[in-house]
Amino acid sequence: GENVEQHPSTLSVQEGDSAVIKCTYSDSASNYFPWYKQELGKRPQLIIDIRSNVGEKKDQRIAVTLNKTAKHFSLHITETQPEDSAVYFCAATTGGYQKVTFGTGTKLQVIP
Amino acid sequence: SAVISQKPSRDICQRGTSLTIQCQVDSQVTMMFWYRQQPGQSLTLIATANQGSEATYESGFVIDKFPISRPNLTFSTLTVSNMSPEDSSIYLCSVESPRAVEAFFGQGTRLTVV
Repeated sequence: GENVEQHPSTLSVQEGDSAVIKCTYSDSASNYFPWYKQELGKRPQLIIDIRSNVGEKKDQRIAVTLNKTAKHFSLHITETQPEDSAVYFCAATTGGYQKVTFGTGTKLQVIP
Repeated sequence: SAVISQKPSRDICQRGTSLTIQCQVDSQVTMMFWYRQQPGQSLTLIATANQGSEATYESGFVIDKFPISRPNLTFSTLTVSNMSPEDSSIYLCSVESPRAVEAFFGQGTRLTVV
């Protein structure tokens, strides 16, 4: 089955700096890669996603890149703000009602 | 996006007892998923529930411990049976979007076993 590794497990950045979270996956059949943000005590919520036919996607301060050959994808947050502090999970799936495999999570702390 | 109502939101239970968690979706969905999230950990899939058939369990999870019902296309229950303190976790139900990719989550059930 799919295995998703995520690094780093914790990340502290100064407000205004950039944050990068990296993930690798094992199943070459995976073709959809969502990123979830989970604030303390709340459910995970989708913040951005990318499909395997796209190399990069951007939404305001958030961007995701995908390297299919190397089987890795990354989340980039620019101009970080204190409200970006949360746990971020990457995930991979083949879609089509198949299960989603989550990474181990990254706790991001943005220091004002 | 799907609206998922999960209850109870939290409970404190005595060891040896069972708790049933309910998940209601505002639209018909093919599959519903149940996850466990232990404190400070990632989400681990317990099982996939299809309407009209037995749930499919992931390695390490068994039906006797986590029986699941899926009586229709909008509702599912997960029971945590014969609980021990190690079962203390957040349990989340999830469904896929109509595009059959993105996962939507219920608000979770925070279970504490004492």
